[in-house]
Amino acid sequence: SQQGEEDPQALSIQEGENATMNCSYKTSINNLQWYRQNSGRGLVHLILIRSNEREKHSGRLRVTLDTSKKSSSLLITASRAADTASYFCATASNSGNTPLVFGKGTRLSVIA
Amino acid sequence: DTAVSQTPKYLVTQMGNDKSIKCEQNLGHDTMYWYKQDSKKFLKIMFSYNNKELIINETVPNRFSPKSPDKAHLNLHINSLELGDSAVYFCASSQGERGLAFFGQGTRLTVV
Repeated sequence: SQQGEEDPQALSIQEGENATMNCSYKTSINNLQWYRQNSGRGLVHLILIRSNEREKHSGRLRVTLDTSKKSSSLLITASRAADTASYFCATASNSGNTPLVFGKGTRLSVIA
Repeated sequence: DTAVSQTPKYLVTQMGNDKSIKCEQNLGHDTMYWYKQDSKKFLKIMFSYNNKELIINETVPNRFSPKSPDKAHLNLHINSLELGDSAVYFCASSQGERGLAFFGQGTRLTVV
C-alpha cells in the first residue's frame, strides 16, 4: 500500500500563525493531492502537485514535494479560524487501475 | 448545481436490513468511487468504477455491491447490514484515476 501518512495527527495554532502539515508515502507516484474536510462535510480538493514538480502555490497555500524522500508538505500562511478542518493527502499511482489512496489526515484547529 | 450528489444524507436502519445509497455526478467524469470513513476519520477505498467497469474491489465484504446503471451513477447496495457497517460513506468522481477527485457530501449510516 502506498497510503500517505500525515504528520502531525493534530495541530492547534493561533490565528495569524502559519500551519505546516506533512505527508509521507511509500511507493512511486504520478501526483500527490491535498484535500480539506470540514466537520460533517465531504472532502474538497485543494491542490495537486505532479511528481516532476517541487513546489506549488495557491493563494495562502504552498505545497512542496520531495520524491527522493517520498514526502510532501502543506503550508497554510496567515491562518484564519475558518481554516479549522482536517487536511488529507492522497497519492495517485503510476500504476494503472489504482485509485487515490488517502492518509489519515491532520486535524487543524485555528484559535481566534 | 451540485457536482457529486449522494442520497440520503442520513440513514438509520436495523441490523439485517438491506439498504442502498445513490450517487450521481454531472461532471462528465469517467471514474467514480465509494469510500468509507470510519470513526477515526480514516478514508478507505471500497470500489472504483471506470467507464462502468469495476477496476478495483478492495477487501470489502460481498454484502456490499456497487451498481452503475450508467457513467454518471454509481450506487452502493448493502445487504444484511451489521453494526460495524456504521460509518460515513462518500461517493467521489474524477477524470481518470489520477485526476482530482470531487466528493459528495457523504451518507452517515447508523446501524442499530
